[in-house]
Amino acid sequence: NAGVTQTPKFRVLKTGQSMTLLCAQDMNHEYMYWYRQDPGMGLRLIHYSVGEGTTAKGEVPDGYNVSRLKKQNFLLGLESAAPSQTSVYFCASSATSGSLNEQFFGPGTRLTVL
Amino acid sequence: LAKTTQPISMDSYEGQEVNITCSHNNIATNDYITWYQQFPSQGPRFIIQGYKTKVTNEVASLFIPADRKSSTLSLPRVSLSDTAVYYCLVGDIADYGGSQGNLIFGKGTKLSVKP
Repeated sequence: NAGVTQTPKFRVLKTGQSMTLLCAQDMNHEYMYWYRQDPGMGLRLIHYSVGEGTTAKGEVPDGYNVSRLKKQNFLLGLESAAPSQTSVYFCASSATSGSLNEQFFGPGTRLTVL
Repeated sequence: LAKTTQPISMDSYEGQEVNITCSHNNIATNDYITWYQQFPSQGPRFIIQGYKTKVTNEVASLFIPADRKSSTLSLPRVSLSDTAVYYCLVGDIADYGGSQGNLIFGKGTKLSVKP
């Protein structure tokens, strides 16, 4: 089992460009999450999904969109990248609700917006 | 929103017991408390979770007082490989229905273990 994988590992964008980050999990988990991690800020929840076809906002959703068309995949989109979105992005999954079950994290995507 | 507060850093020596406390004054009735460990360039990894009193597993113990406004992660006999950042997580996400979910991570405690 690969667990949680993220694509790509690194990316550099120019302001205004768009991109999609892909998260895949092979544990048949219902819940999936996208976080961003900035120096000194810990992890902040961007969006999450409680099952295929569902999405919901977390703490810092502005500037991002997500889709969960398949249970195993959770996509994070940036329509018009801004330098403030330079960060490390982590995807996670869990069997049920986040606070009741262990979240499994991917290795992260390091994004730089120039 | 359950805001969490942790010490920024702690130092210890090999073989000592380390206790890291997280404050979460606004914890909700249904919230659990979870601790994660993160090494550089890796995603966080689950350590332990609890709701009240004491929980123990093979790597750590978690102490939660009756008022649940704080929690303490205890690492017995740390080694150099325990050098990492430790995060407490409090909160829950609403079931799908349009409500904003919140899983609030603390800013992390950087633990440095020295020989």
